Amino acid sequence: RKEVEQDPGPFNVPEGATVAFNCTYSNSASQSFFWYRQDCRKEPKLLMSVYSSGNEDGRFTAQLNRASQYISLLIRDSKLSDSATYLCVVNEGNTPLVFGKGTRLSVIA
Amino acid sequence: DGGITQSPKYLFRKEGQNVTLSCEQNLNHDAMYWYRQDPGQGLRLIYYSQIVNDFQKGDIAEGYSVSREKKESFPLTVTSAQKNPTAFYLCASGTGTFMGQPQHFGDGTRLSIL
Repeated sequence: RKEVEQDPGPFNVPEGATVAFNCTYSNSASQSFFWYRQDCRKEPKLLMSVYSSGNEDGRFTAQLNRASQYISLLIRDSKLSDSATYLCVVNEGNTPLVFGKGTRLSVIA
Repeated sequence: DGGITQSPKYLFRKEGQNVTLSCEQNLNHDAMYWYRQDPGQGLRLIYYSQIVNDFQKGDIAEGYSVSREKKESFPLTVTSAQKNPTAFYLCASGTGTFMGQPQHFGDGTRLSIL
């Protein structure tokens, strides 16, 4: 199975900071990309899909770089409620999604 | 409301016992999945099903079994052959038979050994 790699963190940032995570994937044929958020002892929840043109949803911006095979997530003006683990997810075709192990973010007051 | 329901939320298993975890969805999704998550670890795929009466092994299928007799239901049995079953089990579903769509998760079952 192809790999999806993430820095496990933790990233400890103050409220209001901007933080960025990268995720690399090994299969150049990957077609779909997502970021999920998982709170402690809860199920993962879809945060946003990542399109070739990039996309933005409020304080969150996701980018895809196919040439270098990575996707990124930028969080602006961090809130305490953003503290969670962020999972990078990649699809390689008509096969199940491949989940990274996640990057832990802790936003500190 | 549409969603995925997993039950029970907590489950305890004795040594040598089989247990079945329930997963029901009313989202009209074709594809369903079972994952296992250990503390501090990522999700590992156990089994998945793209259509009724068909399912495929994932990365860690040994010691587990599934059935898909109805579109809405995808129960997972943890057999006595699974020697280390303590984990957080997550069921997910996705639209269509193309698995590149995002998945939606139930809120999980925590299984522990007595």
